Amino acid sequence: EVQLVQSGAEVRKPGESLKISCKASGYSFTSFWIGWVRQVPGKGLEWMGNIYPGDSDTRYSPSFQGQVTISADTSTRTAYLHWSSLKASDTALYFCARSQDPAFVDSYFDYWGQGTLVTVSS
Amino acid sequence: SYELTQPPSVSVSPGQTARITCSGDALPKKFAYWYQQKSGQAPVLLIYDDSKRPPGIPERFSGSSSGTRATLTLSGAQVEDEADYYCYSIDSSGKQWVFGGGTKLAVL
Repeated sequence: EVQLVQSGAEVRKPGESLKISCKASGYSFTSFWIGWVRQVPGKGLEWMGNIYPGDSDTRYSPSFQGQVTISADTSTRTAYLHWSSLKASDTALYFCARSQDPAFVDSYFDYWGQGTLVTVSS
Repeated sequence: SYELTQPPSVSVSPGQTARITCSGDALPKKFAYWYQQKSGQAPVLLIYDDSKRPPGIPERFSGSSSGTRATLTLSGAQVEDEADYYCYSIDSSGKQWVFGGGTKLAVL
């Protein structure tokens, strides 16, 4: 059974760094893209970017390029989303999700994590 | 950047048919995908490759696509289908995935 288990809720101050995680199980971690999706409270879903753990190929939405870093550790089967300097506007629910195809152009998401709430407030 | 356009809200009476549209310039050549999100929960894949249903998705959900518009059809809406629905697709260059703005479905 495919499972994506995300780390717990976080509260940080503006300017602080943060890395949240998504631990995968039940499938070949290196063979499928994992992506991150943002949902600001009361708003819609936004694709942030995907990583292919097999070769660390990473693609970002232009809206998030340079704002976050996506990485993956194949030894622990875990994907990460990292901020070096948080802003209040980063307050949101963040989902990780697995794609079902090794080709980026076909990499829609079929399984999702439960979400991690990140609150950034002074 | 690429955009997918959905109506903000759709209303339907129980047992009736609801249609949610998604417009995007690349849809004639790219598949559309549909997700259902109930309040506070992770999205669930309803439709992939324009019209295919994953295992476990009720048959009352169907998808189609023609030209620059993809459509999610809910036949025989139930109160439990109240949720937000999002279309998802990739731009014509194959570099950027995008969600539509979402449609809130009310069954009343």
